[in-house]
Amino acid sequence: DGGITQSPKYLFRKEGQNVTLSCEQNLNHDAMYWYRQDPGQGLRLIYYSQIVNDFQKGDIAEGYSVSREKKESFPLTVTSAQKNPTAFYLCASSMESVIAKNIQYFGAGTRLSVL
Amino acid sequence: GEDVEQSLFLSVREGDSSVINCTYTDSSSTYLYWYKQEPGAGLQLLTYIFSNMDMKQDQRLTVLLNKKDKHLSLRIADTQTGDSAIYFCAETSPGYALNFGKGTSLLVTP
Repeated sequence: DGGITQSPKYLFRKEGQNVTLSCEQNLNHDAMYWYRQDPGQGLRLIYYSQIVNDFQKGDIAEGYSVSREKKESFPLTVTSAQKNPTAFYLCASSMESVIAKNIQYFGAGTRLSVL
Repeated sequence: GEDVEQSLFLSVREGDSSVINCTYTDSSSTYLYWYKQEPGAGLQLLTYIFSNMDMKQDQRLTVLLNKKDKHLSLRIADTQTGDSAIYFCAETSPGYALNFGKGTSLLVTP
């Protein structure tokens, strides 16, 4: 069953703690993305990666870090520098080709809360 | 970047048509998309339209594109309670990321 798997579904962070959100895809997509969703704010791009071992900052990268060591995996770390991390985090992937029409497929999301 | 604009809320009666409007920002966007999000879930692609088209119909969904005004709309015919969700308009942007609107919450009442 092809798709994007995000884990965990719910995550709690203590003050000063780094936490890592997992995103795995088996769609053989080249590009992967992390978005943050706040109520009434829509989706804002945190980081994206078009190829293994390369990634780019999005609009709100401060306080976050990513890695792309494998094509199928794009974990997001929320660092202690992110002072307002409570949000719904969505991972997406797409195939990089004109034929693919840049359609992005989304995971089910991780809800992060601060204790 | 600039904002993709959508109205925040729409309420319709079951069986009526719903029209969700969007104003996008980049006249060079190749594709424009409509995504649906149910509570606590990820986004699901509903439909998309290529920028050289004016209209696209897919079962109960009709997308209209006015490139001159950078206006996109999604019409849902015979709206059902299961259509209650948040609907996002999105445009392509540099680097293959998408630029999303803030979403329109559609409430369908019996």
